Amino acid sequence: EVQLVESGGGLVKPGRSLRLSCTASGFTFGDYAMSWLRQAPGKGLEWIGVIRGKAYGGTTEYAASLKGRFTISRDDSKSIAYLQMNSLKTEDTAVYYCTKDQYDFWSGSAPDCWGQGTLVTVSS
Amino acid sequence: DIQMTQSPSTLSASVGDRVTITCRASQTISKWLAWYQQKPGKAPNLLIYQASILESGVPSRFSGSGSGTEFTLTISSLQPDDFATYYCQQYNTYMYTFGQGTKLEIK
Repeated sequence: EVQLVESGGGLVKPGRSLRLSCTASGFTFGDYAMSWLRQAPGKGLEWIGVIRGKAYGGTTEYAASLKGRFTISRDDSKSIAYLQMNSLKTEDTAVYYCTKDQYDFWSGSAPDCWGQGTLVTVSS
Repeated sequence: DIQMTQSPSTLSASVGDRVTITCRASQTISKWLAWYQQKPGKAPNLLIYQASILESGVPSRFSGSGSGTEFTLTISSLQPDDFATYYCQQYNTYMYTFGQGTKLEIK
C-alpha cells in the first residue's frame, strides 16, 4: 500500500525557518516525482513545487510566488522528500501536503497519492 | 500561469440527483486535467485524470469529459458519501493550478 507521512509541522515565528519531511512507503520512491502543496485554513489548494525522480536527476520546479524561500529536496536511499521553508510569513500558515505524482514525467502528471498533511502555523 | 475557473462554487442537490461541475482553463491544456474530492479535515482524493480516466477504486457514477479548455465532472446518481468539495487541477505544465473548488451540499 502506498503511504506518505508528513512530519515537522508546528508553530513558528515569522521570519524563522522550518523543514518538513515526507516519508514514503509502498512504492519505488526514486521512480516518481514528488510534489508539495498547501491549503490555508478554509481556502483552496496551492501547488508549491515538485522534485522529479531519478530519470530527470531530481530537478525541481517551483511556484513563482514561492521560489527563493522554499526548497524541495529528496533522499532516495531513505524514501524521504523534504520541504525547506525560510523567511516564513503569517500567510504561509496552512496544512502542507506531500504527494506522489502518477509518473516521473518532465512536464508533470496528476498527484495520485496524498499524505495526511501537517499543519504549519506562523504566528508571533 | 494557467487559471482554472470552476462553476458553480456551491451546488445544492439531493441523493439520487445527477450533477455536473464545470472547469474552464485560461488556455488550452489538452487532456491534462484531474478532478479531486476533498472531505473536511482530509486530504484530497484523486477521482479522474487525463480528463476522463477513472482512478482505480473510484465508483463508476463519477465521470469526466472535455479537452482543450472546457471540462466537466458528472456524478450520475448522488450518494450520501458524495457530499464534499471538488477541485479540478491542470497539469499541462508546472506549475499546477487548481480551480477554486465546488462545495456539494445536501438540499
